[in-house]
Amino acid sequence: KAGVTQTPRYLIKTRGQQVTLSCSPISGHRSVSWYQQTPGQGLQFLFEYFSETQRNKGNFPGRFSGRQFSNSRSEMNVSTLELGDSALYLCASSLGTPGNQPQHFGDGTRLSIL
Amino acid sequence: AQSVTQLGSHVSVSEGALVLLRCNYSSSVPPYLFWYVQYPNQGLQLLLKYTSAATLVKGINGFEAEFKKSETSFHLTKPSAHMSDAAEYFCAVSDQTGANNLFFGTGTRLTVIP
Repeated sequence: KAGVTQTPRYLIKTRGQQVTLSCSPISGHRSVSWYQQTPGQGLQFLFEYFSETQRNKGNFPGRFSGRQFSNSRSEMNVSTLELGDSALYLCASSLGTPGNQPQHFGDGTRLSIL
Repeated sequence: AQSVTQLGSHVSVSEGALVLLRCNYSSSVPPYLFWYVQYPNQGLQLLLKYTSAATLVKGINGFEAEFKKSETSFHLTKPSAHMSDAAEYFCAVSDQTGANNLFFGTGTRLTVIP
């Protein structure tokens, strides 16, 4: 069974640009969550999508947005990039039933802002 | 609100020695607890999870963790460290409300000395 796939693996952008990251969940998983990982702040929850609806949201500015398609694939968009957005962005999928179902993570997209 | 605290950002053990990584949680409701491992340039891999079925949880690669409600702890142990165990380990908590977001600790980097 294929794991969670994130594309691209690496991305370099400049301040002010916008970026879209993609995540394909494990087949059959309906929940996709996004996390930001930085050396200073650690792993922080961005948002979760389930059946094409945002079900939960972390404490990030509105520049961070996402969506989920009918096949459960998800995209995350960051607009007006700032230097502080440099991070590893991780996507995780799960069956979507209440929190006892473990989340399976992809290898992440490393975003660097110049 | 849920949170976890990992004591010790760096732990070094000799190959063959006991591994003990500490995690204390804070939760107003019965929690679900997880341990994940992250190798360089990779995502997070689930080691084990606690979902109230049993207080002693066995995971992959010889790791196990014991849930102690009285101590609000969920420490990760392995009887004999192997060189391949060198990685960063994260403890995480989620609640039972149906939200699929994890709150992570700051991580513990494990070094195994030959």
